[in-house]
Amino acid sequence: DAGVIQSPRHEVTEMGQEVTLRCKPISGHDYLFWYRQTMMRGLELLIYFNNNVPIDDSGMPEDRFSAKMPNASFSTLKIQPSEPRDSAVYFCASSPNLGGGNTGELFFGEGSRLTVL
Amino acid sequence: AQTVTQSQPEMSVQEAETVTLSCTYDTSESNYYLFWYKQPPSRQMILVIRQEAYKQQNATENRFSVNFQKAAKSFSLKISDSQLGDTAMYFCAFGHFGNEKLTFGTGTRLTIIP
Repeated sequence: DAGVIQSPRHEVTEMGQEVTLRCKPISGHDYLFWYRQTMMRGLELLIYFNNNVPIDDSGMPEDRFSAKMPNASFSTLKIQPSEPRDSAVYFCASSPNLGGGNTGELFFGEGSRLTVL
Repeated sequence: AQTVTQSQPEMSVQEAETVTLSCTYDTSESNYYLFWYKQPPSRQMILVIRQEAYKQQNATENRFSVNFQKAAKSFSLKISDSQLGDTAMYFCAFGHFGNEKLTFGTGTRLTIIP
């Protein structure tokens, strides 16, 4: 089985530009999570979806950040306009539904490293 | 809100030695999971071991084992016969039944010295 797939692996952009990060969860997983990792704040949950519906977006830092999940196999995290303080590694993770053998584990992608100059 | 604390930012041990990483958590929930994830330089987060709070027996996965002290809200990871490939960041994480999101600690950077 393919794991969680994220793209791009690396992105370097200039302040003010729009950034779109993409994620394909593991097939059959009902939950999708976006985490951000920085040295200062560690791993922070930004938002998560259940069956394509956003459940908790309280971790989204501000209106510049938006996330969508148009279907079960694709999600995007968009930053517009980007700022240097958005520089981080952004992880996507997925997990199956509780009734689907969920053991509580999250399955992570390899992350997208974003650098905003 | 749940919090997870890892008080050791960095550790290093000689190859083949045993090392224990500490983790404490705070929750008012009674049913929950605890995890240790490993993040090697490749960056991908890999599950090392998991423990359900209702299980009294400590989880074990090959060279990795945990010491779960529910009353003390402590969940330490022991790595036996450490190997160079164990060099990584290790994150402790908490999740409770019925809420699928995980809360992570700040991590411990472990270096295995040849």
